[in-house]
Amino acid sequence: AQTVTQSQPEMSVQEAETVTLSCTYDTSESNYYLFWYKQPPSRQMILVIRQEAYKQQNATENRFSVNFQKAAKSFSLKISDSQLGDTAMYFCAFMKPHAGNNRKLIWGLGTSLAVNP
Amino acid sequence: KAGVTQTPRYLIKTRGQQVTLSCSPISGHRSVSWYQQTPGQGLQFLFEYFSETQRNKGNFPGRFSGRQFSNSRSEMNVSTLELGDSALYLCASSSTNLSSYEQYFGPGTRLTVT
Repeated sequence: AQTVTQSQPEMSVQEAETVTLSCTYDTSESNYYLFWYKQPPSRQMILVIRQEAYKQQNATENRFSVNFQKAAKSFSLKISDSQLGDTAMYFCAFMKPHAGNNRKLIWGLGTSLAVNP
Repeated sequence: KAGVTQTPRYLIKTRGQQVTLSCSPISGHRSVSWYQQTPGQGLQFLFEYFSETQRNKGNFPGRFSGRQFSNSRSEMNVSTLELGDSALYLCASSSTNLSSYEQYFGPGTRLTVT
C-alpha cells in the first residue's frame, strides 16, 4: 500500500524568504501523480502544484516549485518570496495511475506553515 | 465556471441520528470523491462515484454510503452517527478526461456529533 510522510508538522518563515516543505512517499508503482494542496484557515482545499512521475522536469507554478527525486521517493515543495497569504496547512498527496480510472488521493498528515511579518 | 459546492456547510447532530451531505461538482465533471478530515486521522478517502456508479471505496464501515445522480450531483449518508464521525467532510470533483486527473475541492461540511 502506498504511504505519504510529511516529517515537519510545523514550520515558520519570514515574509519574503524562501521555505521548503518535505514529503516522502512509498510505492511500488513506476507511474503515478503527486500533488501539493494548501488548506488555509478557511478550510478550502486548494491545489498548489502537481507532478507526473514520468516527467523528469520539476513542476513550477509562479512562486511554487517542486524538487522531485523519483529514486529517493521525495517530493519537496519550495515557496519563494513567502507572503502572509501563504500561511496555511500544506498537504502532500499521491495518486495511482488510472487503474480503472480511479481518482483516489492518499494524503500526508500535513505541515502547518506560518509566514511571519 | 462555478466551483464545487457543498451543502450544508455546518451540521450538528446527535449520536444515533443519520445525516445526508450534498455535493455539486464543477459543471462537466462526472467524477465525485468524498474524503473525511479529522485531527487524529488526517484525510481519508471515503469513496468515488462516476456516472452514478461507485468505482472505489475506502476503509469505512457500512454506515457510510453514497450515491450519485444523473446530473453528477452526489450525496453521502452516515447512519447511526457516532461521536467519532465528527469531522470535516470534503467533496472533490474531477474531469473524466484521462489526461486531467486533478481533483478540485468544495468548502466542506463540518459535522459535529454530540
